[in-house]
Amino acid sequence: AQTVTQSQPEMSVQEAETVTLSCTYDTSENNYYLFWYKQPPSRQMILVIRQEAYKQQNATENRFSVNFQKAAKSFSLKISDSQLGDTAMYFCAFMKPGTYKYIFGTGTRLKVLA
Amino acid sequence: KAGVTQTPRYLIKTRGQQVTLSCSPISGHRSVSWYQQTPGQGLQFLFEYFSETQRNKGNFPGRFSGRQFSNSRSEMNVSTLELGDSALYLCASSEQPANTGELFFGEGSRLTVL
Repeated sequence: AQTVTQSQPEMSVQEAETVTLSCTYDTSENNYYLFWYKQPPSRQMILVIRQEAYKQQNATENRFSVNFQKAAKSFSLKISDSQLGDTAMYFCAFMKPGTYKYIFGTGTRLKVLA
Repeated sequence: KAGVTQTPRYLIKTRGQQVTLSCSPISGHRSVSWYQQTPGQGLQFLFEYFSETQRNKGNFPGRFSGRQFSNSRSEMNVSTLELGDSALYLCASSEQPANTGELFFGEGSRLTVL
């Protein structure tokens, strides 16, 4: 069975600085998808970034980028130029095509300090 | 387009009662998934529906059930409530079968069991 581990329950970063959130996963599959979702306080969860396992190039979305290490089964999220609006719970998620379910980590609570 | 709508947003029940939660997906989305979110556990997959068919189910007891209607709206039911069922229940819809696509989440229904 697949598992997703986020080992940092809480993190903080100063505004305008860079922070990296860690995620590791365990699977014997070769084809899968990885995601980072953001859940702001009392607001809906939204997709931050997605990575297909068959793509070697790391995904980027504006200030958000990932470091995908397939062999190490690691999928970290880097947030550059952190903003107060980045304060949220961040969840790493794994999905095997055809299963129709996402496996989420326990989340990392990120606080951006002014 | 309206987002994913979940009702009720908050509810309080007592042990032994049952509860029904409702989810209206984004117009045109035919896949609806349900997740249970608790502190420290992250999100746990409950079930996924597409065109009124349940395609996958998580590891929850039979007290948890769901269904999807022809208009893609979905309901989940929890019978014989237990204290441990207190959680935020999240519904998510997807434009395509929940295979590779982004999940769009509602704000959730927060259930408290006393």
